[in-house]
Amino acid sequence: QSALTQPPSASGSPGQSVTISCTGTSSDVGGYNYVSWYQQHPGKAPKLMIYEVTKRPSGVPDRFSGSKSGNTASLTVSGLQAEDEADYYCCSYAGSHNYVVFGGGTKLTVL
Amino acid sequence: EVQLVESGGGLVQPGGSLRLSCAASGFTFNNYWMIWVRQGPGKGLEWMAYINQDGSVIHYMDSVKGRFTISRDNAKNSLYLQMNSLRAEDTAVYYCATVITRAAFDYWGQGTLVTVSS
Repeated sequence: QSALTQPPSASGSPGQSVTISCTGTSSDVGGYNYVSWYQQHPGKAPKLMIYEVTKRPSGVPDRFSGSKSGNTASLTVSGLQAEDEADYYCCSYAGSHNYVVFGGGTKLTVL
Repeated sequence: EVQLVESGGGLVQPGGSLRLSCAASGFTFNNYWMIWVRQGPGKGLEWMAYINQDGSVIHYMDSVKGRFTISRDNAKNSLYLQMNSLRAEDTAVYYCATVITRAAFDYWGQGTLVTVSS
C-alpha cells in the first residue's frame, strides 16, 4: 500500500505555530476517523501524540492538536518549544486488509 | 510503570531466522491487542503484524505473510515475532507496541535492531 504523503520538513520559531499535513485517500484518511500522530526523537521510540483525529493521550500538552478535512489530516503544534523538534509521523486506519498506513514523516525544526 | 522490552535482534544472514521477544510489565497485558512495527535505517514506520488479546485474531502485512509469525503468551506477559526467510530489506529496528484503538499505539518498547546481511 502507498504511504500517506507528508512534507519532508517543517519549521517555526519558538512560540509560533506550525501545521503538518498528511494526505491520503478515501480508502484511509478520508474514509475513517482513525488518524493518529506520532512524535519521534532521534534514537527513541515513537510517542503517540494524537489519536482518532483529535484526541490527546494523557500527558500530551494541549499545544498539540489534530484535525481532518476530506482526505487530509493535520497536526498543529502551537507555542513551539525547543523540545518539539523531532520527526512526526501520521498514521491512518486503512481497512481490514491493509490495517494501517503511515506517512513518510516530517522533520520539525524549531529555529 | 508500563514497560515493553524487546530482545532477540542481531545480525543474521539472508535466508536465516530470528525470534524476537517483547516482555511486558506494569499493565494488564492480556487486555491489549499488540502490534509489531519496524523502522528501516533512515526510513519511516511500517506495521508488520498484530494480534488480539487471546491470539484468535492475527493479521500480517503482505510483505511478511508466510515468513513471519506473531504469537503471545499471556501467562508470561510476552509477545513474540518469529521471522524466517529473512531478506536484506527486513533490516530494521523492530518495536512492539500496545494497541488502544485502530491506528493508535500508545506504549512502545525501545526497539531491537535486526540486521540481515552476509
